[in-house]
Amino acid sequence: KQEVTQIPAALSVPEGENLVLNCSFTDSAIYNLQWFRQDPGKGLTSLLLIQSSQREQTSGRLNASLDKSSGRSTLYIAASQPGDSATYLCAVRPPEAGGTSYGKLTFGQGTILTVHP
Amino acid sequence: EPEVTQTPSHQVTQMGQEVILRCVPISNHLYFYWYRQILGQKVEFLVSFYNNEISEKSEIFDDQFSVERPDGSNFTLKIRSTKLEDSAMYFCASRRGLAPRETQYFGPGTRLLVL
Repeated sequence: KQEVTQIPAALSVPEGENLVLNCSFTDSAIYNLQWFRQDPGKGLTSLLLIQSSQREQTSGRLNASLDKSSGRSTLYIAASQPGDSATYLCAVRPPEAGGTSYGKLTFGQGTILTVHP
Repeated sequence: EPEVTQTPSHQVTQMGQEVILRCVPISNHLYFYWYRQILGQKVEFLVSFYNNEISEKSEIFDDQFSVERPDGSNFTLKIRSTKLEDSAMYFCASRRGLAPRETQYFGPGTRLLVL
């Protein structure tokens, strides 16, 4: 059974710092991995999707990497801002084994990020 | 930009009552999902739905739960007889296709409180 773990559980940094959030998964046979942002009491906003054949994806100040063989992904946030404060979730999607998976995601617990001015 | 919408945003109900949570997926999407998040816990998969039938469900999705796409635009989750432990945030999600580049989009959630 796939397990997804995120460390650290919480992170507090001053504005302007570069930071790294970590995600690990126990079964390296994944189809893709998504990073989401969740604001308190709100829904999930997709930030980046990395396909299993890719090593990294970039969007603005965000860069996500994937090392499938070691079961790890990192989300790098450059020049952090107070508006980046949120919970960051990673989620993996299993491969389509015989058509038995229809795209469900398995989530980690999340990293609560606080960026203070 | 198209988005997944959910109603209501909050619902309070008495234990044993039936609730229906509603979702409107993105219009050209074919795959639909329900997830839940109990306060302080991980987001958990409940069920996936494609071509008007359930394609996969988790152990959580027992006989008390059902899903329906009644009219080609709405996607509903019904809980027949709510329990205290059903209190959670329920998220609807949709996806256009199953290619590895396809993103899963989530709605804002319905917060369900069972008293």
